Amino acid sequence: AQSVAQPEDQVNVAEGNPLTVKCTYSVSGNPYLFWYVQYPNRGLQFLLKYITGDNLVKGSYGFEAEFNKSQTSFHLKKPSALVSDSALYFCAVREPGGFKTIFGAGTRLFVKA
Amino acid sequence: ETGVTQSPTHLIKTRGQQVTLRCSSQSGHNTVSWYQQALGQGPQFIFQYYREEENGRGNFPPRFSGLQFPNYSSELNVNALELDDSALYLCASSPATSGTYNEQFFGPGTRLTVL
Repeated sequence: AQSVAQPEDQVNVAEGNPLTVKCTYSVSGNPYLFWYVQYPNRGLQFLLKYITGDNLVKGSYGFEAEFNKSQTSFHLKKPSALVSDSALYFCAVREPGGFKTIFGAGTRLFVKA
Repeated sequence: ETGVTQSPTHLIKTRGQQVTLRCSSQSGHNTVSWYQQALGQGPQFIFQYYREEENGRGNFPPRFSGLQFPNYSSELNVNALELDDSALYLCASSPATSGTYNEQFFGPGTRLTVL
């Protein structure tokens, strides 16, 4: 069965510093991996996805994520955090050929000015 | 291009009642998925509709049911409401069905409170 783990409930970082939000997954075969962001009282917004190819994926708002097959990880990164990046971040996985997207529990990111 | 819209925004019901939530897909999208997001948790997949047929379901009881209409809008119906049904219900649309790598476009959600 597919699953996603986000080991940190909360990540705190100072504005201008690099940020990392961690995600590990378990799925049969090669996964499709996604990151979404949720602002208060809003639905989820797509940030980026990994399907195949280059392990470093670039997405919206300067975010990127690195796929590591051996460690079954897909960590979200940004070189320089902004206060406006403060939000709830969700990692998600889908099996190729599957219909269900499984989301992690979310990581709350706080960026302090 | 119109995004995904959901109605109502908020809803308060009592135990045992029935509720219907509505979703309009993003233009050109023929697949709709529904999720339940309890407070402090990630979205949990309820089911997915493609061309008016349910083509995938998560671990939710039969009292959670849905419909998709020819214009690809969708409804989520929940019968015999329980306190644990209190959550944010999210609708998401995408341009194709399962087996693809398309990202989903989410609506703002309906906040359901069951008293």
